[in-house]
Amino acid sequence: ETAVFQTPNYHVTQVGNEVSFNCKQTLGHDTMYWYKQDSKKLLKIMFSYNNKQLIVNETVPRRFSPQSSDKAHLNLRIKSVEPEDSAVYLCASSYPGQLYFGEGSKLTVL
Amino acid sequence: GEQVEQRPPHLSVREGDSAVITCTYTDPNSYYFFWYKQEPGASLQLLMKVFSSTEINEGQGFTVLLNKKDKRLSLNLTAAHPGDSAAYFCAVRRGNTEGADRLTFGKGTQLIIQP
Repeated sequence: ETAVFQTPNYHVTQVGNEVSFNCKQTLGHDTMYWYKQDSKKLLKIMFSYNNKQLIVNETVPRRFSPQSSDKAHLNLRIKSVEPEDSAVYLCASSYPGQLYFGEGSKLTVL
Repeated sequence: GEQVEQRPPHLSVREGDSAVITCTYTDPNSYYFFWYKQEPGASLQLLMKVFSSTEINEGQGFTVLLNKKDKRLSLNLTAAHPGDSAAYFCAVRRGNTEGADRLTFGKGTQLIIQP
């Protein structure tokens, strides 16, 4: 049963455009994350938010910015996408320590 | 920081055979251990969460072994069936508090079950 909702699930765009992915969790968790999964399926943590406070930023490019209005929402904005941004972006929430993933947002940059 | 090595990266077995995926970790303070399954085009689903105090955990059609002395975690699929074809990821976490900096994923194993 899905409790972490991501939109859109697919997005195709051109280099230089802006993209936003939305994530909402209905589990009441305090901590949410964005992971990037590349074409080789490697998972890399991008951001972590604990009750709206950014607590991890794993040296991602500055064109990526997380946005959170409350602890149930964590969006990801990419300003001026580049080809290497093509990947699946996975949102997750956690408590206690176990991650619950959304279905992912697949970004294709042409 | 924690290093997690997962092997093999690719594994192909025949239906009915067993499949073993192994992760080794470096941090002796690792506390929770996870196996996730990712079917094609889908997200990661938790297969099993293992506490550091339990060495053998059995699920439906699989067994997870934790060897704390050797810092090794393994997933053993018994009598594999086509539905087991997926990518599998181990994850290791330090301590009891939240924080992505405490969770490290393996690089994944792509498992293919041949009929």
